[in-house]
Amino acid sequence: EPEVTQTPSHQVTQMGQEVILRCVPISNHLYFYWYRQILGQKVEFLVSFYNNEISEKSEIFDDQFSVERPDGSNFTLKIRSTKLEDSAMYFCASSEQGSTDTQYFGPGTRLTVL
Amino acid sequence: DAKTTQPTSMDCAEGRAANLPCNHSTISGNEYVYWYRQIHSQGPQYIIHGLKNNETNEMASLIITEDRKSSTLILPHATLRDTAVYYCIVRPHSGNTPLVFGKGTRLSVIA
Repeated sequence: EPEVTQTPSHQVTQMGQEVILRCVPISNHLYFYWYRQILGQKVEFLVSFYNNEISEKSEIFDDQFSVERPDGSNFTLKIRSTKLEDSAMYFCASSEQGSTDTQYFGPGTRLTVL
Repeated sequence: DAKTTQPTSMDCAEGRAANLPCNHSTISGNEYVYWYRQIHSQGPQYIIHGLKNNETNEMASLIITEDRKSSTLILPHATLRDTAVYYCIVRPHSGNTPLVFGKGTRLSVIA
């Protein structure tokens, strides 16, 4: 069964450093998303992406965040200058265009900012 | 904010049916009811969704009341691996509308 994959599974970085989280969505999906979950809190929407553009973004997704689809398979989330409060699980999701718009999630990347 | 209300936690004996309720009294006519679950800190896992008719798949059944103001997710024979946080979410079934997660119900399946 096709699935969303994410790398790395765990990323440790120093405050102020840049990190790139990578995702490979399900191959025939056209809509891509990033969510995050701070330990013990709810899963929160960050950004959605379609046709090489951001479709929607939340208040959390400020100028330090960016997303890119650098090739036909990867979808990346970049955090330009990490802060302690960026420590969280980051989940990528994808959905197929059309009537079946169920979002399928990857296993997540645990980001720890020291 | 989430448009649904769920109990904080529930217990279920292994092998029994787990019935997880959800209230969504302000649901709109074009909004579907989705259920996801999250085992420990893994990515949310899609379970089932429906509009107004009852739905069943290999994982679960979804019962939606006639007025659509509430629903129940049924795991027919719960196992220890079904221990997770279960989220009930309402959203339009089109476009790329983000999912809005609440706190969900923490289901503990007990041997």
